[in-house]
Amino acid sequence: DQQVKQNSPSLSVQEGRISILNCDYTNSMFDYFLWYKKYPAEGPTFLISISSIKDKNEDGRFTVFLNKSAKHLSLHIVPSQPGDSAVYFCAASAHNDMRFGAGTRLTVKP
Amino acid sequence: ETGVTQSPTHLIKTRGQQVTLRCSSQSGHNTVSWYQQALGQGPQFIFQYYREEENGRGNFPPRFSGLQFPNYSSELNVNALELDDSALYLCASSRTRQGSTDTQYFGPGTRLTVL
Repeated sequence: DQQVKQNSPSLSVQEGRISILNCDYTNSMFDYFLWYKKYPAEGPTFLISISSIKDKNEDGRFTVFLNKSAKHLSLHIVPSQPGDSAVYFCAASAHNDMRFGAGTRLTVKP
Repeated sequence: ETGVTQSPTHLIKTRGQQVTLRCSSQSGHNTVSWYQQALGQGPQFIFQYYREEENGRGNFPPRFSGLQFPNYSSELNVNALELDDSALYLCASSRTRQGSTDTQYFGPGTRLTVL
């Protein structure tokens, strides 16, 4: 059962523009949400997280928004840089059970 | 650099065989989680260990088992390998028992191919 979905397998944006990656979830028990970035031949790297008691968390160029009523979260990267090109996974957790989406491949063109 | 290492990098086995994958966590990290990532999918949670005891399990059959050792190393064992077990296996370590809300540091993974 896919409790966490990333419906866009890929996204291409121009350098300097905003990248918006989306994620939907179905389990209302999830109380913590994370974004990971993955480069080829490396494990996922933690990027940013948000607790269910918040609706926004910002860290430099990265902002995560959480809409609990819609069971939707998004990651905004602004401005996008070529080094941001990677696969981005969203993840949601409840009681030490973490579920990942299938990932979105972001390509930032110079 | 995360400090989490996994061995081997690649492995080829045949159906019915058994395999042991190894992970070395960051020093001081008492929690280790194992994930299976099939091609084109996100990582799927297999189980988590905290101080050498299982602390949560995903929807994987009992032929997937694990061990965690006091020296921050751990193992994932898979018995009676099936073709669908072919995947990238990732381990991730974190400091606290609440491994899913604490920052997890992933290793580079072991690519298992079952023929």
